[in-house]
Amino acid sequence: QQQVKQSPQSLIVQKGGISIINCAYENTAFDYFPWYQQFPGKGPALLIAIRPDVSEKKEGRFTISFNKSAKQFSLHIMDSQPGDSATYFCAARTISGNTPLVFGKGTRLSVIA
Amino acid sequence: DGGITQSPKYLFRKEGQNVTLSCEQNLNHDAMYWYRQDPGQGLRLIYYSQIVNDFQKGDIAEGYSVSREKKESFPLTVTSAQKNPTAFYLCASTTSGKGPQGQFFGPGTRLTVL
Repeated sequence: QQQVKQSPQSLIVQKGGISIINCAYENTAFDYFPWYQQFPGKGPALLIAIRPDVSEKKEGRFTISFNKSAKQFSLHIMDSQPGDSATYFCAARTISGNTPLVFGKGTRLSVIA
Repeated sequence: DGGITQSPKYLFRKEGQNVTLSCEQNLNHDAMYWYRQDPGQGLRLIYYSQIVNDFQKGDIAEGYSVSREKKESFPLTVTSAQKNPTAFYLCASTTSGKGPQGQFFGPGTRLTVL
């Protein structure tokens, strides 16, 4: 019940296309859902996060869509660029319970020109 | 500059040796975490601490030890009992109170056992 399942494992997208990464969770107590971006040899950086009281959050080219009833959330990268090539992790936690983040296994995105 | 620092960036260890990885934060965060990252495995939680002088085991605590004597510091010791310690180690921190709930990561330490 603590797992966060992420798909796909890897993704290749043409420059200018839309990258979509999906995550699913079981624990209905989760109330904070962030996405992280990691470049090789670096620590993950917080990209965007959402709480379950909204269904969508947009920051620049990055959008989180959240479906509470399906217990799923996804990251959309619009107008994908080669500089977006990185590994992306979804995560979830319970803020009220002050629990650690539970991470998905990551998606390696390659944006090709 | 506020942030999380980890040292060293690269660390080499002989089998049978204990090594300690440093993690310091000046974000005034209450909670700190250690993760291990292996290729294709994502991030696995080793230990975490929500307040000074208290810490809890994560999913893969065997062969590791930690201390939290100061709010800003959370060192990780990789002991000789850890059978496969070669990995990328990441420290993170977050606030336990109100405000932004993002968990912020340090730059990591790559440990290689020779």
